Amino acid sequence: DAGVIQSPRHEVTEMGQEVTLRCKPISGHDYLFWYRQTMMRGLELLIYFNNNVPIDDSGMPEDRFSAKMPNASFSTLKIQPSEPRDSAVYFCASSRQGPGTTIRSPLHFGNGTRLTVT
Amino acid sequence: AQSVTQLDSQVPVFEEAPVELRCNYSSSVSVYLFWYVQYPNQGLQLLLKYLSGSTLVKGINGFEAEFNKSQTSFHLRKPSVHISDTAEYFCAVSRAPTGGGNKLTFGTGTQLKVEL
Repeated sequence: DAGVIQSPRHEVTEMGQEVTLRCKPISGHDYLFWYRQTMMRGLELLIYFNNNVPIDDSGMPEDRFSAKMPNASFSTLKIQPSEPRDSAVYFCASSRQGPGTTIRSPLHFGNGTRLTVT
Repeated sequence: AQSVTQLDSQVPVFEEAPVELRCNYSSSVSVYLFWYVQYPNQGLQLLLKYLSGSTLVKGINGFEAEFNKSQTSFHLRKPSVHISDTAEYFCAVSRAPTGGGNKLTFGTGTQLKVEL
């Protein structure tokens, strides 16, 4: 299994530009999460999906942030327009839930996208 | 809601010495507990997890943790560390049973630095 795949690994952009981060979850996983990591705030959950449907986006900081999951093998996180305070490492993670409320697999993380907005 | 506190932001230790990384949690419901490790420029990897049963759980790389419900703690320990254990360690919690696909709340992390 290739694990959770994120692209790009690094993104440098200018303030005001649109940024799109991409994620391919592990095959068979039915939950997908987007986290943001900064020195000041640590790891923050932005949004998560179940079976491609957004369940909780209360962590999305502003309307400039949007996330989609058009199918089970692909998700995007978009920032438009980007600002310097969006600079962070963005992680995608996936997991699989068993019958009922059991955990079939724990959270598996990608290697992250380091975003720098100048 | 759940929360996690990792009081130590950095823990320096000499190689082959024992180490304990502290984690306390707060929750009004039952929880699952996890420790993850992050090496530089990488994502987080699961070290170990407590879901139920024995309060002493063993993970990869010789790490273990003990769930203490009365003290709401889940401290991570290793009897003898190696240089390669230098990394950042995160404690995390989710509600149990989970209906959210293992939605986790993370602590702020503890940087373990192993020195020769």
